[in-house]
Amino acid sequence: GAGVSQTPSNKVTEKGKYVELRCDPISGHTALYWYRQSLGQGPEFLIYFQGTGAADDSGLPNDRFFAVRPEGSVSTLKIQRTERGDSAVYLCASSLSREDEQFFGPGTRLTVL
Amino acid sequence: QQQVKQSPQSLIVQKGGISIINCAYENTAFDYFPWYQQFPGKGPALLIAIRPDVSEKKEGRFTISFNKSAKQFSLHIMDSQPGDSATYFCAATIYYQTGANNLFFGTGTRLTVIP
Repeated sequence: GAGVSQTPSNKVTEKGKYVELRCDPISGHTALYWYRQSLGQGPEFLIYFQGTGAADDSGLPNDRFFAVRPEGSVSTLKIQRTERGDSAVYLCASSLSREDEQFFGPGTRLTVL
Repeated sequence: QQQVKQSPQSLIVQKGGISIINCAYENTAFDYFPWYQQFPGKGPALLIAIRPDVSEKKEGRFTISFNKSAKQFSLHIMDSQPGDSATYFCAATIYYQTGANNLFFGTGTRLTVIP
């Protein structure tokens, strides 16, 4: 069965550029989470969507980071004016509802040169 | 600040041995404690989870021990196998609340099981 998919799997960009990372959740999952995993660390929460709305964006580090989920399915994480410190693996997870198990995608490895 | 502290950072165990990974937390509002297994290039996958109303949960070779008063919990992998070699993360969340069930992860333990 199809799990959570994320594209691209790898993204290399230059400092100051804009990037978009895509997440395709499991079909029918209403809850969607973005996490960031730095090297040697556990994932850190960024933002949570319930349906189309961002119900909790308290983990976004600053206003360069933004995420959307316009139709309640696919989500895009957008990073403006990338910095070297943004380099990490960005993980997406979805769950059937808020209370259910979160299923993680394989992540997008972002490298900012 | 790190809401969940995990140790050791790395662990090497002989095949057939017991792997033990420990975690501690501060926030007494946490009420759901899952463990995740992550292989290189993959996202974390839920392994086993426990709620604070029980002191132990066992699923196959994997056991969580939970000490509410000490605010500690641990993962025991019995009869460790080379296929268990992965990075293990403990996590915690406040399950019964409005809003996100965002997980607070430990820093991870890289387990290597030697054949």
